[in-house]
Amino acid sequence: AQRVTQPEKLLSVFKGAPVELKCNYSYSGSPELFWYVQYSRQRLQLLLRHISRESIKGFTADLNKGETSFHLKKPFAQEEDSAMYYCALTTASKLTFGTGTRLQVTL
Amino acid sequence: NAGVTQTPKFQVLKTGQSMTLQCAQDMNHEYMSWYRQDPGMGLRLIHYSVGAGITDQGEVPNGYNVSRSTTEDFPLRLLSAAPSQTSVYFCASSYFGTGRNTEAFFGQGTRLTVV
Repeated sequence: AQRVTQPEKLLSVFKGAPVELKCNYSYSGSPELFWYVQYSRQRLQLLLRHISRESIKGFTADLNKGETSFHLKKPFAQEEDSAMYYCALTTASKLTFGTGTRLQVTL
Repeated sequence: NAGVTQTPKFQVLKTGQSMTLQCAQDMNHEYMSWYRQDPGMGLRLIHYSVGAGITDQGEVPNGYNVSRSTTEDFPLRLLSAAPSQTSVYFCASSYFGTGRNTEAFFGQGTRLTVV
């Protein structure tokens, strides 16, 4: 069975502080990992995926197969980063989400 | 390009009533799915489909029914609404399979209240 774990329900940081949203997964095969973001009362949208290895809005995420992790990082948090973040795992047959982490960036 | 269209945006039901949430996509995606979003619970998969005529249960299927008669449409039916089904519902679609862009596209959500 595939599973995605996001241990933190809420992460509160000050503006300019580093951010790390944790994501761990379990899957026996080769998964595709994604981060999706949901701004207030909007639909979910893709933030980034592990295969592209790109930085979006200053966020990066590295897939660590040894630790089965895909943590989302940003060196300096901005107010507009406040949102709900979901880690997701796609396999050949199913898309599974974690329970999400709410990031709150305060002044 | 409309993407994923989900209707209605808001709905209030009385306990015991039935209704259908509509979801349509115009991207020729094989994979479609329904999630409910509850505070502290994240997105939980209700039902999903990997193609026309094929559906399967997710982690919280009880009280819901789906069908996939066409590639484009994936309606979600509430058979007899209960207050526990008060939630925000999202429909999503994507390609699936290795070597393909499996980014999921979401509908705008349906805020359902059962009284």
